[in-house]
Amino acid sequence: EVQLVESGGGLVQPGGSLRLSCAASGFTVSSNYMSWVRQAPGKGLEWVSVIYSGGSTYYADSVKGRFTISRDNSKNTLYLQMNSLRAEDTAVYYCARVGEGSYGMFDYWGQGTLVTVSS
Amino acid sequence: AIQMTQSPSSLSASVGDRVTITCRASQGIRNDLGWYQQKPGKAPKLLIYAASSLQSGVPSRFSGSGSGTDFTLTISSLQPEDFATYYCLQDYNYPLTFGPGTKVDIK
Repeated sequence: EVQLVESGGGLVQPGGSLRLSCAASGFTVSSNYMSWVRQAPGKGLEWVSVIYSGGSTYYADSVKGRFTISRDNSKNTLYLQMNSLRAEDTAVYYCARVGEGSYGMFDYWGQGTLVTVSS
Repeated sequence: AIQMTQSPSSLSASVGDRVTITCRASQGIRNDLGWYQQKPGKAPKLLIYAASSLQSGVPSRFSGSGSGTDFTLTISSLQPEDFATYYCLQDYNYPLTFGPGTKVDIK
């Protein structure tokens, strides 16, 4: 069974850093495209970043230069390193898998982890 | 970046109603579009991919259509469990962009 479990969220001050983790089971992270998607409280969904199976990465303009997506193949885990955090980064962060048979769409999602940026 | 718009932003409907939600892209995206359902406090759930393909396990009352810039999600007979917010997502190019959402609630 495919499962994604995020962790690492919490309260951080503006300008601070946080690293989110997404532990996967039931499939191999390095064989799939994996993404982070966020949702500010009461707002819509915003795509954040993707890492390809080959290692290429892409970012939303709003986080480029501040966030880094990566993975640890030995731990089958996806990460999001977030630096220089701003109040507008406050959101629930979801990791999501791009399904092999879903033409680029995210077929499995984690439960989300809340990041709050506030002094 | 490709802008996605949805209409309506919200609607009220009754069980058994036919519901149609529209999504429009600011430029042509072929059929690189999906639809998601999200309930409060939960992660989104994939309903439709490639504009019209039903994701495995999703009830057949959900259907999608469209290509290019205009897309539609239809629920043929609304069920109690379908009250939720629906989002479209384009994966034609980066940055991936979601529509603002359509909230479907009970009339």
